[in-house]
Amino acid sequence: DSGVTQTPKHLITATGQRVTLRCSPRSGDLSVYWYQQSLDQGLQFLIQYYNGEERAKGNILERFSAQQFPDLHSELNLSSLELGDSALYFCASSASPGQGYGYTFGSGTRLTVV
Amino acid sequence: DQQVKQNSPSLSVQEGRISILNCDYTNSMFDYFLWYKKYPAEGPTFLISISSIKDKNEDGRFTVFLNKSAKHLSLHIVPSQPGDSAVYFCAASPLNLYGGSQGNLIFGKGTKLSVKP
Repeated sequence: DSGVTQTPKHLITATGQRVTLRCSPRSGDLSVYWYQQSLDQGLQFLIQYYNGEERAKGNILERFSAQQFPDLHSELNLSSLELGDSALYFCASSASPGQGYGYTFGSGTRLTVV
Repeated sequence: DQQVKQNSPSLSVQEGRISILNCDYTNSMFDYFLWYKKYPAEGPTFLISISSIKDKNEDGRFTVFLNKSAKHLSLHIVPSQPGDSAVYFCAASPLNLYGGSQGNLIFGKGTKLSVKP
């Protein structure tokens, strides 16, 4: 157990729908990062939060949004889902935003859009 | 445009031999380079890192070499063990406009290592 908890582990939904993925960071970590891993792709950085504030944005679609709550858990919202959104979504956490190493990853949420 | 490239999707090595995984990058504005290991149905786990001001870092059986002029790094595993079979991701930590770490990591597509007994 890495200490980063992601729920649900698996999600199957239809095109056009909206889903919410949840992440609880490791105890004491203030930064949360979201990554997407599609087939044949590496881990694509989506977005980073630090202590409730958005810190950096990567290749996140406008249909996707995220937030980090006062208790530091984070949610990634994916709407108007398309088949191409099927992927593994990973959350990671670290103690501080400038710490570009030593991320701790969760085990991921596998999203299947049918 | 991929800034971090792992050109070998897979690598097969005999147990006890050396495994060499390669990674190339196109941007000089990175302060750290990292390797992560990923088993199926698990998230990536941090393996070893190297600062951009160093050229070698060693941790047990794992050594990372950085060649800045060639924008190339490699991970050496000696000796390789069957338990090392996994997908290995190379990652780089980009600098922000002020010269500090941006916080996020840029990953390559990974190399699947198979170590045969």
